[in-house]
Amino acid sequence: RKEVEQDPGPFNVPEGATVAFNCTYSNSASQSFFWYRQDCRKEPKLLMSVYSSGNEDGRFTAQLNRASQYISLLIRDSKLSDSATYLCVVNLQQAGTALIFGKGTTLSVSS
Amino acid sequence: TAGITQAPTSQILAAGRSMTLRCTQDMRHNAMYWYRQDLGLGLRLIHYSNTAGTTGKGEVPDGYSVSRANTDDFPLTLASAVPSQTSVYFCASSLGPGGNIQYFGAGTRLSVL
Repeated sequence: RKEVEQDPGPFNVPEGATVAFNCTYSNSASQSFFWYRQDCRKEPKLLMSVYSSGNEDGRFTAQLNRASQYISLLIRDSKLSDSATYLCVVNLQQAGTALIFGKGTTLSVSS
Repeated sequence: TAGITQAPTSQILAAGRSMTLRCTQDMRHNAMYWYRQDLGLGLRLIHYSNTAGTTGKGEVPDGYSVSRANTDDFPLTLASAVPSQTSVYFCASSLGPGGNIQYFGAGTRLSVL
């Protein structure tokens, strides 16, 4: 099983739609969870951290299910500017390790 | 604010030649990382450094070397480039190692012919 798995998509949705991405991770000892966004030919940028109780940032909601080792990202009222690749990221809280990135889910929002 | 700067932005390199990709951060972050990103393979860690003076190997270290003489700089060297090293290279830094948020440079696009 790969360490971080995501559905690559692409997800093609119209403006205003609600879309959800899922991610599973293999290491139950993972402590930190993030969603990064990457635009075409650009660097990844932090979208939001994911907390155990779930968290929301405007139109974006992240959820964590430790028992199922599952992370989700919900985008409401999709905008054209949301078109990007979304990377699920996890890490072990240990020195000497770096973030483990999923391969990403591509979202395309159309008018 | 500069953040993390990579140079060059892009480069075409003949196979067998050496090259150093530069990475500098001004955030006083302790940890720095080098990734390569290839289509279909995602981001893969090449080398990392948890603090100045120390380095470690990531998932794909072969053919690459790094040094961390000070906090700000983390150069990546290809001693003898091969075509399979054609990729986009991203440098990143974080306040500390482990689960800290990482901030990325804009990347270097390298083609080895």
